[in-house]
Amino acid sequence: EVQLVESGGGLVQPGRSLRLSCAASGFTFDDYAMHWVRQAPGKGLEWVSGISWNSGSIGYADSVKGRFTISRDNAKNSLYLQMNSLRAEDTALYYCAKESLGYCSHWGQGTLVTVSS
Amino acid sequence: EIVLTQSPATLSLSPGERATLSCRASQSVSSYLAWYQQKPGQAPRLLIYDASNRATGIPARFSGSGSGTDFTLTISSLEPEDFAVYYCQQRSNWPRFTFGPGTKVDIK
Repeated sequence: EVQLVESGGGLVQPGRSLRLSCAASGFTFDDYAMHWVRQAPGKGLEWVSGISWNSGSIGYADSVKGRFTISRDNAKNSLYLQMNSLRAEDTALYYCAKESLGYCSHWGQGTLVTVSS
Repeated sequence: EIVLTQSPATLSLSPGERATLSCRASQSVSSYLAWYQQKPGQAPRLLIYDASNRATGIPARFSGSGSGTDFTLTISSLEPEDFAVYYCQQRSNWPRFTFGPGTKVDIK
Protein backbone atom coordinates (compact mmCIF):
# COMPACT_ATOMS: atom_id res chain seq x y z
CA GLU A 1 0.00 0.00 0.00
CA VAL A 2 1.32 3.43 -0.95
CA GLN A 3 2.00 5.61 2.08
CA LEU A 4 3.15 9.21 2.07
CA VAL A 5 3.78 10.89 5.41
CA GLU A 6 4.61 14.58 5.53
CA SER A 7 6.37 16.25 8.43
CA GLY A 8 8.17 19.46 9.30
CA GLY A 9 5.28 21.89 9.36
CA GLY A 10 4.67 24.35 12.16
CA LEU A 11 4.44 28.00 13.13
CA VAL A 12 7.18 30.20 11.67
CA GLN A 13 7.74 33.95 11.52
CA PRO A 14 7.67 35.81 8.21
CA GLY A 15 11.04 35.81 6.51
CA ARG A 16 12.21 32.61 8.20
CA SER A 17 12.78 29.16 6.74
CA LEU A 18 11.26 25.72 7.10
CA ARG A 19 12.04 22.33 5.59
CA LEU A 20 9.27 19.86 4.87
CA SER A 21 9.85 16.14 4.45
CA CYS A 22 7.77 13.37 2.93
CA ALA A 23 8.53 9.75 3.79
CA ALA A 24 7.36 7.33 1.09
CA SER A 25 6.70 3.61 1.36
CA GLY A 26 4.81 0.86 -0.39
CA PHE A 27 6.23 1.54 -3.85
CA THR A 28 9.56 1.85 -5.65
CA PHE A 29 10.22 5.50 -4.86
CA ASP A 30 12.90 6.12 -7.47
CA ASP A 31 10.57 5.04 -10.28
CA TYR A 32 8.22 7.99 -9.83
CA ALA A 33 8.09 11.75 -10.09
CA MET A 34 6.82 13.53 -6.99
CA HIS A 35 5.04 16.80 -6.25
CA TRP A 36 4.17 19.24 -3.50
CA VAL A 37 0.66 20.73 -3.55
CA ARG A 38 -0.67 23.18 -0.98
CA GLN A 39 -4.07 24.32 0.18
CA ALA A 40 -4.59 27.53 2.11
CA PRO A 41 -7.31 27.37 4.78
CA GLY A 42 -10.71 27.27 3.10
CA LYS A 43 -9.18 27.66 -0.36
CA GLY A 44 -8.46 25.50 -3.39
CA LEU A 45 -5.49 23.41 -4.40
CA GLU A 46 -2.31 25.08 -5.59
CA TRP A 47 0.49 23.11 -7.21
CA VAL A 48 3.82 24.16 -5.68
CA SER A 49 6.62 22.09 -7.18
CA GLY A 50 7.43 18.84 -8.95
CA ILE A 51 10.56 16.72 -9.44
CA SER A 52 11.32 13.86 -11.80
CA TRP A 53 12.48 10.45 -10.60
CA ASN A 54 16.15 11.32 -11.02
CA SER A 55 15.90 15.03 -10.11
CA GLY A 56 16.71 15.86 -13.73
CA SER A 57 13.52 17.89 -14.27
CA ILE A 58 12.19 20.30 -11.68
CA GLY A 59 9.40 22.86 -11.83
CA TYR A 60 8.03 25.54 -9.52
CA ALA A 61 4.93 27.67 -9.35
CA ASP A 62 5.66 31.34 -10.01
CA SER A 63 4.50 32.15 -6.49
CA VAL A 64 7.39 30.21 -4.91
CA LYS A 65 10.12 30.33 -7.55
CA GLY A 66 13.40 31.56 -6.11
CA ARG A 67 12.25 30.94 -2.52
CA PHE A 68 11.42 27.21 -2.41
CA THR A 69 13.64 24.29 -3.41
CA ILE A 70 12.42 20.76 -4.01
CA SER A 71 14.74 17.79 -3.67
CA ARG A 72 14.65 14.07 -3.13
CA ASP A 73 16.85 11.35 -1.67
CA ASN A 74 16.03 8.10 -3.42
CA ALA A 75 18.22 6.12 -1.02
CA LYS A 76 16.05 7.34 1.84
CA ASN A 77 12.71 7.19 -0.04
CA SER A 78 12.18 10.82 0.87
CA LEU A 79 11.02 14.05 -0.73
CA TYR A 80 11.83 17.49 0.63
CA LEU A 81 10.75 21.09 0.27
CA GLN A 82 13.08 23.78 1.54
CA MET A 83 11.06 26.95 2.06
CA ASN A 84 12.92 30.23 2.54
CA SER A 85 11.75 33.82 2.94
CA LEU A 86 8.33 32.62 4.05
CA ARG A 87 5.35 34.94 3.73
CA ALA A 88 1.91 35.00 5.31
CA GLU A 89 0.45 33.84 2.01
CA ASP A 90 2.47 30.63 2.24
CA THR A 91 0.25 29.54 5.13
CA ALA A 92 -1.33 26.29 3.99
CA LEU A 93 -1.61 22.56 4.35
CA TYR A 94 1.22 21.10 2.28
CA TYR A 95 0.57 17.77 0.58
CA CYS A 96 3.15 15.41 -0.85
CA ALA A 97 1.88 13.51 -3.90
CA LYS A 98 3.15 10.60 -5.98
CA GLU A 99 2.83 10.98 -9.70
CA SER A 100 1.45 8.07 -11.68
CA LEU A 101 -0.09 8.08 -15.14
CA GLY A 102 1.14 11.68 -15.27
CA TYR A 103 -0.99 12.92 -12.39
CA CYS A 104 -1.11 12.98 -8.59
CA SER A 105 -2.36 9.46 -7.99
CA HIS A 106 -1.61 9.19 -4.26
CA TRP A 107 -1.53 11.88 -1.60
CA GLY A 108 -0.35 12.17 1.97
CA GLN A 109 -2.49 13.73 4.69
CA GLY A 110 -0.50 16.95 4.66
CA THR A 111 1.52 19.03 7.08
CA LEU A 112 0.35 22.47 8.17
CA VAL A 113 2.58 25.49 7.76
CA THR A 114 1.54 28.71 9.47
CA VAL A 115 3.49 31.88 8.77
CA SER A 116 2.75 34.51 11.36
CA SER A 117 4.50 36.86 13.73
CA GLU B 1 1.21 30.05 -17.63
CA ILE B 2 -1.86 27.97 -18.39
CA VAL B 3 -4.90 29.08 -16.41
CA LEU B 4 -7.84 26.78 -15.74
CA THR B 5 -11.33 28.10 -15.00
CA GLN B 6 -14.15 25.97 -13.64
CA SER B 7 -17.88 26.50 -13.80
CA PRO B 8 -20.12 26.73 -12.05
CA ALA B 9 -18.48 27.61 -8.74
CA THR B 10 -21.28 25.80 -6.92
CA LEU B 11 -23.74 23.23 -8.20
CA SER B 12 -26.77 22.45 -6.04
CA LEU B 13 -28.37 19.15 -6.91
CA SER B 14 -30.33 16.30 -5.36
CA PRO B 15 -29.21 12.67 -5.07
CA GLY B 16 -29.99 10.80 -8.27
CA GLU B 17 -29.59 13.87 -10.46
CA ARG B 18 -26.96 14.29 -13.16
CA ALA B 19 -24.05 16.63 -12.52
CA THR B 20 -22.15 18.35 -15.31
CA LEU B 21 -18.98 20.25 -14.38
CA SER B 22 -16.92 22.31 -16.78
CA CYS B 23 -13.21 23.12 -16.96
CA ARG B 24 -11.73 25.49 -19.52
CA ALA B 25 -8.02 26.05 -20.23
CA SER B 26 -6.51 29.35 -21.37
CA GLN B 27 -4.68 27.47 -24.12
CA SER B 28 -4.75 23.93 -25.46
CA VAL B 29 -3.66 21.22 -23.05
CA SER B 30 -4.43 18.44 -25.54
CA SER B 31 -5.92 15.64 -23.42
CA TYR B 32 -3.57 16.22 -20.48
CA LEU B 33 -6.30 16.93 -17.96
CA ALA B 34 -7.37 15.24 -14.75
CA TRP B 35 -10.25 15.55 -12.32
CA TYR B 36 -9.99 15.17 -8.53
CA GLN B 37 -12.57 14.90 -5.78
CA GLN B 38 -11.97 16.34 -2.33
CA LYS B 39 -14.16 15.87 0.71
CA PRO B 40 -13.82 17.97 3.88
CA GLY B 41 -10.81 17.00 5.96
CA GLN B 42 -9.51 14.60 3.32
CA ALA B 43 -6.78 14.66 0.72
CA PRO B 44 -7.87 14.88 -2.91
CA ARG B 45 -8.58 11.68 -4.85
CA LEU B 46 -7.79 11.19 -8.53
CA LEU B 47 -10.96 10.39 -10.48
CA ILE B 48 -10.19 10.87 -14.17
CA TYR B 49 -6.87 11.17 -16.02
CA ASP B 50 -6.03 12.13 -19.59
CA ALA B 51 -9.49 13.70 -19.90
CA SER B 52 -11.53 10.50 -20.10
CA ASN B 53 -9.86 7.60 -18.30
CA ARG B 54 -11.20 6.52 -14.92
CA ALA B 55 -8.59 5.93 -12.23
CA THR B 56 -8.46 2.64 -10.39
CA GLY B 57 -11.54 1.96 -8.31
CA ILE B 58 -13.57 4.91 -9.58
CA PRO B 59 -17.23 4.05 -10.21
CA ALA B 60 -18.59 4.08 -13.74
CA ARG B 61 -21.00 6.92 -12.92
CA PHE B 62 -18.02 9.26 -13.23
CA SER B 63 -17.01 10.10 -16.79
CA GLY B 64 -14.82 12.71 -18.41
CA SER B 65 -14.74 14.17 -21.89
CA GLY B 66 -13.11 16.92 -23.91
CA SER B 67 -9.81 17.93 -25.44
CA GLY B 68 -7.93 21.08 -26.27
CA THR B 69 -9.42 23.78 -24.06
CA ASP B 70 -12.85 22.50 -23.01
CA PHE B 71 -13.48 19.60 -20.66
CA THR B 72 -16.43 18.12 -18.81
CA LEU B 73 -16.81 15.87 -15.80
CA THR B 74 -20.17 14.13 -15.63
CA ILE B 75 -21.61 12.27 -12.67
CA SER B 76 -24.52 10.35 -14.16
CA SER B 77 -26.54 9.88 -10.98
CA LEU B 78 -25.36 11.53 -7.77
CA GLU B 79 -24.83 9.32 -4.76
CA PRO B 80 -24.76 10.84 -1.25
CA GLU B 81 -20.97 10.35 -1.09
CA ASP B 82 -20.44 12.38 -4.28
CA PHE B 83 -21.19 15.73 -2.65
CA ALA B 84 -17.74 17.28 -2.53
CA VAL B 85 -15.44 19.74 -4.27
CA TYR B 86 -14.08 18.81 -7.70
CA TYR B 87 -10.88 20.18 -9.21
CA CYS B 88 -9.47 19.91 -12.70
CA GLN B 89 -5.69 19.88 -13.25
CA GLN B 90 -3.53 20.08 -16.36
CA ARG B 91 -0.07 18.63 -16.99
CA SER B 92 0.65 19.76 -20.56
CA ASN B 93 3.81 21.61 -19.47
CA TRP B 94 5.11 18.95 -17.13
CA PRO B 95 6.61 19.09 -14.52
CA ARG B 96 4.57 22.26 -14.06
CA PHE B 97 0.97 21.54 -13.12
CA THR B 98 -2.00 23.84 -12.70
CA PHE B 99 -5.22 23.30 -10.78
CA GLY B 100 -8.55 24.95 -11.44
CA PRO B 101 -10.34 26.82 -8.64
CA GLY B 102 -12.85 24.03 -8.02
CA THR B 103 -16.57 23.35 -8.24
CA LYS B 104 -18.50 22.54 -5.09
CA VAL B 105 -21.32 20.06 -5.57
CA ASP B 106 -23.72 20.42 -2.67
CA ILE B 107 -27.07 19.02 -1.71
CA LYS B 108 -30.07 20.97 -2.87
